[in-house]
Amino acid sequence: RKEVEQDPGPFNVPEGATVAFNCTYSNSASQSFFWYRQDCRKEPKLLMSVYSSGNEDGRFTAQLNRASQYISLLIRDSKLSDSATYLCVVNEGTGFQKLVFGTGTRLLVSP
Amino acid sequence: NAGVTQTPKFRILKIGQSMTLQCTQDMNHNYMYWYRQDPGMGLKLIYYSVGAGITDKGEVPNGYNVSRSTTEDFPLRLELAAPSQTSVYFCASERGPNEKLFFGSGTQLSVL
Repeated sequence: RKEVEQDPGPFNVPEGATVAFNCTYSNSASQSFFWYRQDCRKEPKLLMSVYSSGNEDGRFTAQLNRASQYISLLIRDSKLSDSATYLCVVNEGTGFQKLVFGTGTRLLVSP
Repeated sequence: NAGVTQTPKFRILKIGQSMTLQCTQDMNHNYMYWYRQDPGMGLKLIYYSVGAGITDKGEVPNGYNVSRSTTEDFPLRLELAAPSQTSVYFCASERGPNEKLFFGSGTQLSVL
């Protein structure tokens, strides 16, 4: 079983749609969780951290379910500029970042 | 602020050649990392450093070496390039654990 598993997609959605991605992780001792965004041939950039209580940043909402070991990302009112690959990232380390990256979910938003 | 700077952006090597990928950051971050990203795969940790003079192996260190003589610089050395090292390499840094990770723009390396 992969340590961090994501549906690779692509998810093709029209502008204005709501889209959700899920990610599962295998290490129950994982400490912290993140969503990164990666544009084609570019470096990953932090989109948001994921907290146990859930968190929202504008059109983006992240949720964590520790019991089921999954993380979700919801994007509302999709924009063309949201087209990218979304990486689920889990920190298994203590004392330093032992980040485990998912392979990413590709989102394509069309006019 | 420049952030994390990687050079070169692209490089083609012949099998058996050696090269150094440069990485420097101007944010006074203690923690620095080298990752590689193969097509359709997640980033894999090659080496990391928690401060000047301290380095350690990550998940995929074979075929690579690093050094950390200053806080700013964390070069990655390939001694005998192999086709399996064809990949995109990202350097990253952060102030401390569980803080925001800043990535360089990457080096696309092909070994032919």
